[in-house]
Amino acid sequence: QVQLLESGGGVVQPGRSLRLSCAASGFSFSNYGMNWVRQVPGKGLEWVAVIWNGGGDRYYADSVKGRFTISRDNSKNTVHLQMDSLRAEDTAIYYCARIHRALDYWGQGTLVTVSS
Amino acid sequence: EVVMTQSPATLSVSPGERATLSCRASQSVSVNLAWFQQKPGQAPRLLIYGASTRATGIPARFSGSGSGTEFTLTISSLQSEDFAIYYCHHYSNRPPGEFTFGPGTTVDNK
Repeated sequence: QVQLLESGGGVVQPGRSLRLSCAASGFSFSNYGMNWVRQVPGKGLEWVAVIWNGGGDRYYADSVKGRFTISRDNSKNTVHLQMDSLRAEDTAIYYCARIHRALDYWGQGTLVTVSS
Repeated sequence: EVVMTQSPATLSVSPGERATLSCRASQSVSVNLAWFQQKPGQAPRLLIYGASTRATGIPARFSGSGSGTEFTLTISSLQSEDFAIYYCHHYSNRPPGEFTFGPGTTVDNK
């Protein structure tokens, strides 16, 4: 069955960096686009970034453009989110999600807290 | 950029009643519209994609309709496990990709 497992969250100071990972299993990873979506606890969902199955096409929300980088390693069935110059407003649960007929499978999320 | 709005913000329904949730896009999104259900402490779950197609394993009491800018999610006979937040979502299936979520509708027990 399809499984997505995020890791790498934690507490980090403003201005520092953090790298999230999402390990995928149960499907042919290289054939699917992958997203990161975040959610401030108790608030709504915000799309962050997408990387398409070829790996060359990557797009970002304006709120993270220039600070976050999405990448994938098809040999390891993993997608990453490198987050630099973190701000307090980046505090959220970060989910990875597969694109297939919309975002059909999601991980359980990893919490990132940006605080001094 | 497409902006999604949802109404009402909160819908109070009794079990067994029908629930109708609305979603509007600021410009046409064709049928690239999905609905998600989210319960506390859980990831969103895909209910509907392509505006009207139920995702795998979703009960028939959930139905979606609409195209262009106006969409509706209907729960025909609300069950206790359906109390949750529902988000509509505009998505793309190819590059470059546009992904936008509505603010959500909370369905609670009247």
